[in-house]
Amino acid sequence: GAGVSQSPSNKVTEKGKDVELRCDPISGHTALYWYRQSLGQGLEFLIYFQGNSAPDKSGLPSDRFSAERTGGSVSTLTIQRTQQEDSAVYLCASSLRPLYNEQFFGPGTRLTVL
Amino acid sequence: DQQVKQNSPSLSVQEGRISILNCDYTNSMFDYFLWYKKYPAEGPTFLISISSIKDKNEDGRFTVFLNKSAKHLSLHIVPSQPGDSAVYFCAASSSNSGGSNYKLTFGKGTLLTVNP
Repeated sequence: GAGVSQSPSNKVTEKGKDVELRCDPISGHTALYWYRQSLGQGLEFLIYFQGNSAPDKSGLPSDRFSAERTGGSVSTLTIQRTQQEDSAVYLCASSLRPLYNEQFFGPGTRLTVL
Repeated sequence: DQQVKQNSPSLSVQEGRISILNCDYTNSMFDYFLWYKKYPAEGPTFLISISSIKDKNEDGRFTVFLNKSAKHLSLHIVPSQPGDSAVYFCAASSSNSGGSNYKLTFGKGTLLTVNP
């Protein structure tokens, strides 16, 4: 069984450009989470999707950040007009149920904004 | 305001000895705690958890201790092995968070190095 996959693994972009990060959760997992880990920091919750319910966007740091989850499976995190402070590792996780001890993480996308 | 703190950024131990990783929290609403392990270029993997109704949970070489009055938890690894070398994250959650108990608050991590 495949785990959570994320693409690209690395992304270098120029300040002001838009970027899209993709997450493929484990098949059958209804809950999907995005986290961010900035240099020297812990993981920071960004957004949570559960089935067809409205997502919890409370962790998104600004309105430049948005995320979608199509068909209850693949998710895309979009960052518009990137800033240098957006540089971080963006981690996606999924779980069969929204229980905190069952989150399976992908390898992350390392975003560098020049 | 960091609600979960791992004050030791790194720890080095000899193979076969005990590794003790510490974590402190400030939010008294936290009632579920987890430890994740992370290797370079990989996502964190769940290691062990503990509910606030317990003060100890053991799984093989890994034991987590919770001291609620001190708002402190620790992860013990005995005996430590070189393959345990990784970054260990402490995380916490609250079941009284208005239905958002899925939100994990993480510490900054401790890099454990186990020397052969």
